[in-house]
Amino acid sequence: GESVGLHLPTLSVQEGDNSIINCAYSNSASDYFIWYKQESGKGPQFIIDIRSNMDKRQGQRVTVLLNKTVKHLSLQIAATQPGDSAVYFCAENIRGGGNKLTFGTGTQLKVEL
Amino acid sequence: GAVVSQHPSWVICKSGTSVKIECRSLDFQATTMFWYRQFPKQSLMLMATSNEGSKATYEQGVEKDKFLINHASLTLSTLTVTSAHPEDSSFYICSASGDPFYSNQPQHFGDGTRLSIL
Repeated sequence: GESVGLHLPTLSVQEGDNSIINCAYSNSASDYFIWYKQESGKGPQFIIDIRSNMDKRQGQRVTVLLNKTVKHLSLQIAATQPGDSAVYFCAENIRGGGNKLTFGTGTQLKVEL
Repeated sequence: GAVVSQHPSWVICKSGTSVKIECRSLDFQATTMFWYRQFPKQSLMLMATSNEGSKATYEQGVEKDKFLINHASLTLSTLTVTSAHPEDSSFYICSASGDPFYSNQPQHFGDGTRLSIL
């Protein structure tokens, strides 16, 4: 979706619980999606990606789900750890747009001990 | 793999100064590099896309004479903020990706440059 917004939504979870971060996108021509993690004062770090011909993709402790019907993307983090605390952004790539990305608003994940 | 280095990480300078920021891909050839600006607690805003050996493509509302971009090699792009003023203070981040012929490639980001204009 468009990167508009002045306030970051916050998700607070207990250490060891699973986290689910959601993202809505608006462009039906988007065919590639990426989740990035950004720690304070650093650049975004690639977590996982998914192409539009897939519904689910798993990595180490992370799973991305894509629902093209409702234009919804989610990132699931299993057994959340303090080191997972960061801002998470989804990004979409529009088919034919080169590798240009449009970033979502972002979600602040806070892991409580 | 896919490491992007950005330098400097922090710049403080007087109003009217021009500041150059470098972005290097260390272990891959970056046909395309992107420059973003980020305000506190906000998302990344794409400023421009640069392709090696050609002029950069600027997003709507970004002054190309203010933000000069040069992408002279497959491993280096520079952003120069000319005659910087306090309103240019921000976090600038670069990213790089490979050949755009191959779609669906992630961008790999540098660690950003914090620019503070006094």
